[in-house]
Amino acid sequence: DIQMTQSPSSLSASVGDTITITCRASQNIIRYLNWYEQKPGKAPKLLIFAASSLQSGVPSRFSGSGSGTEFTLTIRSLQPEDFATYYCHQTYSIPSTFGQGTKLEIK
Amino acid sequence: EVQLVESGGGLVQPGGSLRLSCTASGFFFSDYEMNWVRQAPGKGLEWISYINIISDTIFYADSVKGRFTISRDNAGNSLYLQMNSVKAEDTATYYCARGRVGDGDCADHWGQGTLVTVSP
Repeated sequence: DIQMTQSPSSLSASVGDTITITCRASQNIIRYLNWYEQKPGKAPKLLIFAASSLQSGVPSRFSGSGSGTEFTLTIRSLQPEDFATYYCHQTYSIPSTFGQGTKLEIK
Repeated sequence: EVQLVESGGGLVQPGGSLRLSCTASGFFFSDYEMNWVRQAPGKGLEWISYINIISDTIFYADSVKGRFTISRDNAGNSLYLQMNSVKAEDTATYYCARGRVGDGDCADHWGQGTLVTVSP
């Protein structure tokens, strides 16, 4: 199974900050990497697909990059509604696997 | 508007069975692959099963293989998960998620989830 490791596991930031979350795959997944946001008690929401494509309706302050084994999610000019948990997810091979999550909290 | 609505969760005893349903609307269900993903309380996301559009390709996570069965009814716009021989570690919120082939094979829409609690 492909292991997905996110860092950091938690992060404190302020409104207006720019933050970056890293996701590393245990083997090459090309660009089969998606990012999700989850708020407490809610379903995950797709933000970025295929490593760097912005899902329709998602604000442009979210961006993704990377290929192979290292990927990043960047959120620029953090808004109050961005404080949530973020997951990366590889779909290169079965079983598809998620990172352990990064909890973004207000400083 | 794409909608996925799960149902069928509840309290079940260890060793028991439960059938989850996911009803789709707002899109051509028969055109999309589907997945089940679960989340134990306070934990991360775990993919557990996939089914393609004509049900001839199905995959399971090792954690549920041989106990859970995924199926779909394209005419009825529904996805199912038959859960047998459940264990305490199956306690989780179960989400159905629509797969989008080609775009990183992402799961682009999710239901609100249904909670399954396995307890004596």
